[in-house]
Amino acid sequence: SQQGEEDPQALSIQEGENATMNCSYKTSINNLQWYRQNSGRGLVHLILIRSNEREKHSGRLRVTLDTSKKSSSLLITASRAADTASYFCATDAKGGGTSYGKLTFGQGTILTVHP
Amino acid sequence: GAVVSQHPSWVICKSGTSVKIECRSLDFQATTMFWYRQFPKQSLMLMATSNEGSKATYEQGVEKDKFLINHASLTLSTLTVTSAHPEDSSFYICSARVNRAHQETQYFGPGTRLLVL
Repeated sequence: SQQGEEDPQALSIQEGENATMNCSYKTSINNLQWYRQNSGRGLVHLILIRSNEREKHSGRLRVTLDTSKKSSSLLITASRAADTASYFCATDAKGGGTSYGKLTFGQGTILTVHP
Repeated sequence: GAVVSQHPSWVICKSGTSVKIECRSLDFQATTMFWYRQFPKQSLMLMATSNEGSKATYEQGVEKDKFLINHASLTLSTLTVTSAHPEDSSFYICSARVNRAHQETQYFGPGTRLLVL
C-alpha cells in the first residue's frame, strides 16, 4: 500500500505564482525524491533530499524535509504553464534486503498553471 | 542523465493473450529494476523488484504466475502479463537503479499503456 500522502490533491494557480505541495510519510527513510509526470507519460526525476538534509534547491525548485514530522514540501517558484503536470513524492525506506531501492510513492498533486 | 526505454509504448490485445513488455537501460548497467503499475488518476504501485540473475521479488497481492518477470542481463528486464484480462489494462512503468555506490536515483522508462479488450 502507498504510505505517502500528498496535499493538496489538486492545485490551480496563475503563471508567475508559487506552488507548494506537501508530502507526508510513515516510516524511516534514506531519502525522499520528487518526480514530475506529464499526462500519460513517464516520470521525470526532479530532486532528491537525503534524510540528513533539511533543504535543497534546484533552479526554481525548493524542497524541505522534516524527518521529525515525517513530511516534505516542494515549492515551485515563478510557475509557468509548462509546469502543469502531476507531482509525486517517493520515499526510499531505510533497511536493506528486500527493501533496498524500493520507492513508495505518494498519491500525487495535480498542478495546473494557467497562462 | 541515464536513459531507460520501454517497448512497446502501447499495446492492445485480446483477453486471454499474453503480452511482453521490455525495459532496457541504454547507457548504464542496472542490477536492479523495478516494475510499477499505474491506474488512471492514481499513483504508482510497485509490483515487483527485478534482480539480474535471480528471481524477482513480488509485492504483496501481486500474482507472480500472472506477471512473469525475467531479468536476463544487466540492461534488460521483461514483464509478461499472462492470460491478460480487461482489469489488467493499465500503465506499466519500469525503473532502473544505477549500479554505483551512493547513486540513489532511479531512472524511469516512458511507460507502456496496455489495453485488454
